[in-house]
Amino acid sequence: TQLLEQSPQFLSIQEGENLTVYCNSSSVFSSLQWYRQEPGEGPVLLVTVVTGGEVKKLKRLTFQFGDARKDSSLHITAAQTGDTGLYLCAGAIAGNMLTFGGGTRLMVKP
Amino acid sequence: GAVVSQHPSRVICKSGTSVKIECRSLDFQATTMFWYRQFPKQSLMLMATSNEGSKATYEQGVEKDKFLINHASLTLSTLTVTSAHPEDSSFYICSASRTANGYTFGSGTRLTVV
Repeated sequence: TQLLEQSPQFLSIQEGENLTVYCNSSSVFSSLQWYRQEPGEGPVLLVTVVTGGEVKKLKRLTFQFGDARKDSSLHITAAQTGDTGLYLCAGAIAGNMLTFGGGTRLMVKP
Repeated sequence: GAVVSQHPSRVICKSGTSVKIECRSLDFQATTMFWYRQFPKQSLMLMATSNEGSKATYEQGVEKDKFLINHASLTLSTLTVTSAHPEDSSFYICSASRTANGYTFGSGTRLTVV
């Protein structure tokens, strides 16, 4: 059982559609991060959320941290083909150690 | 920004040989680095935490004698896959943290054991 449950696992949408990816846990995290990974490369940090209820925006991406710091969501508005990739949430509990969700593989079709 | 360099990006080796993967923090000192393994279409699984000047901490199920980790300096950690077998073929990724909330990942190493 993964500490961080990420859903959906796969998502295939048309360009221009909106989508939301969820990351849920029964544990409280000191911070939660979202990454995007391209095939054959390492994950690239998109955002870090620290405060319960925090909302951060990165162009068409909106990240939210749950009030209890146990869950988070990533919302993409008007998806583009360039958004295709593997999205990973990761939570920090003890020290600097991260635990990753199972990932969401997003395919945006033209 | 923080840069982590991982080398090599790809390696093919014969069964029974050993392979060393390097992870360097280029513009900051990292007392702690992390090594992950990623299977195709799956998420990252933490293998071990590399601590500068002391022994690495391995996750449950990871053989410490097979995956040797050395963190001899504040900017370099190495992972050596010893006596590699085809089942060790995978994508290995390292990361280092500059701050409590900032993690930078290397570009990964694709290991293929034939």
